[in-house]
Amino acid sequence: GQQLNQSPQSMFIQEGEDVSMNCTSSSIFNTWLWYKQDPGEGPVLLIALYKAGELTSNGRLTAQFGITRKDSFLNISASIPSDVGIYFCAGHPTGGGNTGKLIFGQGTTLQVKP
Amino acid sequence: DTEVTQTPKHLVMGMTNKKSLKCEQHMGHRAMYWYKQKAKKPPELMFVYSYEKLSINESVPSRFSPECPNSSLLNLHLHALQPEDSALYLCASSQVWAGSNEKLFFGSGTQLSVL
Repeated sequence: GQQLNQSPQSMFIQEGEDVSMNCTSSSIFNTWLWYKQDPGEGPVLLIALYKAGELTSNGRLTAQFGITRKDSFLNISASIPSDVGIYFCAGHPTGGGNTGKLIFGQGTTLQVKP
Repeated sequence: DTEVTQTPKHLVMGMTNKKSLKCEQHMGHRAMYWYKQKAKKPPELMFVYSYEKLSINESVPSRFSPECPNSSLLNLHLHALQPEDSALYLCASSQVWAGSNEKLFFGSGTQLSVL
């Protein structure tokens, strides 16, 4: 089946540093979604991307829909302790056999040292 | 209001018990989902309801029985579960099912422990 390769798997950074993570696929995607999940809670939608090349910000978060439509990036600027959590990319692939299911990356665990 | 409400927050049950998880949304969404999530893993799709009809069952064992009483409510009935069924169960909703641009909104989940 279709897969999303998300990297890095984990990050341990100092408060104030910038963070970058990405997702790649061998398939073309119509939509990219970025979620953040705190322990014991459900994923919260951060940013949704719909067009190749689209760059969207949400506060200190910026995400981009790759030109090839096979990748997406999430950047967090000036990290703070509450940025700790697991970040998931997710997307709707295009092409034959697409049933509308959302495909998830494996997640990036972010830890921030005060 | 982009809230999906799940109850209970935590549930401990024995292998012979019957229990139900509940989910509610008031965003007018016509697609509702159940996902299962193990620690530090992505959510795994279990069921999809579209316009109150079951559209997808991802080969889930029959000890999990979903129900969609109306467009705002989604239940998951549990019976004779196994310890390996312990996980975070997430409900989600979106405007419609099978659209290629759908955003899913998740509830906070029910942390289930099966003893």
